[in-house]
Amino acid sequence: QVQLLESGPGLVKPSGTLSLTCGVSGDSITSNKWWTWVRQPPGKGLEWIGQIYRNGDTKYNPSLRSRVTVSIDTSKNQFSLKLTSVTAADTAVYYCARDEAPAGPPPTYYRMDVWGQGTTVIVSS
Amino acid sequence: DIQMSQSPSSLSASIGDRVTITCRASQNVDRYLNWYQHKPGKAPKVLIYGASTLQTGVPSRFSGSGSGTDFTLTISTLQPDDVATYFCQQTYRNSYTFGQGTKLEIK
Repeated sequence: QVQLLESGPGLVKPSGTLSLTCGVSGDSITSNKWWTWVRQPPGKGLEWIGQIYRNGDTKYNPSLRSRVTVSIDTSKNQFSLKLTSVTAADTAVYYCARDEAPAGPPPTYYRMDVWGQGTTVIVSS
Repeated sequence: DIQMSQSPSSLSASIGDRVTITCRASQNVDRYLNWYQHKPGKAPKVLIYGASTLQTGVPSRFSGSGSGTDFTLTISTLQPDDVATYFCQQTYRNSYTFGQGTKLEIK
């Protein structure tokens, strides 16, 4: 059974850096999948943050690109999120997820089929 | 960016009703459209991918249709367990945007 587990500080000061890690069990982070971060601010909808592939290729939400870094650690089977210069607007539940396409011929339709439980990050002094 | 808009933002229906939620993309996304169900305090769950393919393990009362810019999620017979917020997501372009969500309640 594949499981993802987010970890990191639940409280970050304004202008600081938010750092989260997603540990993966039951699957290899070097498999043919994208590893993704999504967040949900209080009372709002889901926001796709970015993702990383096993070779280090990344894709980011343009609205966050200047502040976001997603990295991968194959030795620990985990991936991470760093968000710099945070403000109260970055307060949210942060989820990590596995983004996989079913095997078979094209077209290739990716979907986030396994998610972490989510971790709440509050930006406050 | 591709913008996704859903309607309605919320809806109330009775057990056994047929429920339809629509999602519109600001430009063509072909069939690169997923639907997720999100319950409070839980992780989102994928229901439909590729616009109309049912994710393994999802009840057959859920179905999806559409292509291009207009998509629909249908629940054929509403059950109490379906109370949730539903999100569409496009995966056509490299920034995979979500719709704003549709909150479904039981009348």
